[in-house]
Amino acid sequence: DSGVTQTPKHLITATGQRVTLRCSPRSGDLSVYWYQQSLDQGLQFLIHYYNGEERAKGNILERFSAQQFPDLHSELNLSSLELGDSALYFCASSASISGGYSTDTQYFGPGTRLTVL
Amino acid sequence: GEDVEQSLFLSVREGDSSVINCTYTDSSSTYLYWYKQEPGAGLQLLTYIFSNMDMKQDQRLTVLLNKKDKHLSLRIADTQTGDSAIYFCADYNTDKLIFGTGTRLQVFP
Repeated sequence: DSGVTQTPKHLITATGQRVTLRCSPRSGDLSVYWYQQSLDQGLQFLIHYYNGEERAKGNILERFSAQQFPDLHSELNLSSLELGDSALYFCASSASISGGYSTDTQYFGPGTRLTVL
Repeated sequence: GEDVEQSLFLSVREGDSSVINCTYTDSSSTYLYWYKQEPGAGLQLLTYIFSNMDMKQDQRLTVLLNKKDKHLSLRIADTQTGDSAIYFCADYNTDKLIFGTGTRLQVFP
């Protein structure tokens, strides 16, 4: 158990709808990262928040947005959903602003599986 | 942009060693990581290596880094059926991890 929690575990919805995925980082971690894992695109970085502020953006669509709240949990909002948005969405957390060092690696949650019908 | 490549499949017999290979393009990598993903589960950090190291050993895991060729490998000694999973190498680059395609390791008795 990495200490990162994600809800819901599974989500099934229809095209055109909007969903919100939630992530609670490990206790004390200030950084939250979102990733998308799909069969055709592999595992891709979406966005990084540190202590409530956006730090870096990856291949995140304009239909997607995220935020990190004062209690450090984060939400990923996906709107105008398309079939191709079906994927496993991971959240990861790390202690500091930069999750790329040996003492501060990223710990991943179990993911939310989104199915768009 | 930066790219990380892996072979897609590896099949080994239980008790043998497994070697999973990875190549990357980023010459300014600081850390390179290996993650494991079991079916239906999230990513689990296995080990990492700093870019100025050639080798790192951690119990049954050995990571070799050839910085000149930008080649990274993960050797699993005495592979067990519980090692069956997808293994991802990842390159840390300016505030994000760039993942490889993943190598599916199948261990048969």
